[in-house]
Amino acid sequence: QVQLQESGPGLVKPSETLSLTCTVSGGSVSGYYWSWIRQTGAKGLEWIGRTDDSSNYNPSLRSRVTLSRDVSKNQFSLKLTSVTAADTAVYYCARGYSTSWGDFEYWGQGILVIVSS
Amino acid sequence: EIVLTQSPGTLSLSPGERATLSCRASQRVVSSYLAWYQQKPGQAPRLLIYGASSRATGIPDRFSGSGSGTDFSLTISRLEPEDFAVYYCQQYGGSPPVTFGGGTRVEIK
Repeated sequence: QVQLQESGPGLVKPSETLSLTCTVSGGSVSGYYWSWIRQTGAKGLEWIGRTDDSSNYNPSLRSRVTLSRDVSKNQFSLKLTSVTAADTAVYYCARGYSTSWGDFEYWGQGILVIVSS
Repeated sequence: EIVLTQSPGTLSLSPGERATLSCRASQRVVSSYLAWYQQKPGQAPRLLIYGASSRATGIPDRFSGSGSGTDFSLTISRLEPEDFAVYYCQQYGGSPPVTFGGGTRVEIK
């Protein structure tokens, strides 16, 4: 059974960089697209981007987001620069099926990140 | 961007009743790329339906999805106590590739 676990700081200062890691167990990070999704009360669920050998981003966040994957550690990561209070959210990592990457069958439990000084 | 509008915002029903949730897209959605999720407080969303009408692994057959083009629906044939939650539709394939609806809360009447 594939399991995902987000990790990283729960508090980030405004203008700094938010960095999160998703550790995958029960399966390999190779051969699938891995996505980051965030959830706020104001905007609901928002897809941030996906990565495998390359990455695709939500245009609304593209200028500030970098996704990467580390096959040796079976992890993938999110970096979001120049954060503001609007980036306060629960951040999820997720994976879809091999044949339909956007049907998110596997999710991490989510990590709350608060942007505040 | 494909905007997904879900209605109603809140559905108040009793256990055993039938629930019908709507998801309307601002542009045509490829049916293969329309999914439904259930979310309970403090939990990640759970995939219920993919490809507009296929149940995900382990999902009871009281959940069914239908629709095409711009109009999709999720039906729960007989509500069980554990079905009271928030439901989201989601599409992928547009630009940005993934968007979610605003959700429908199914609450106990």
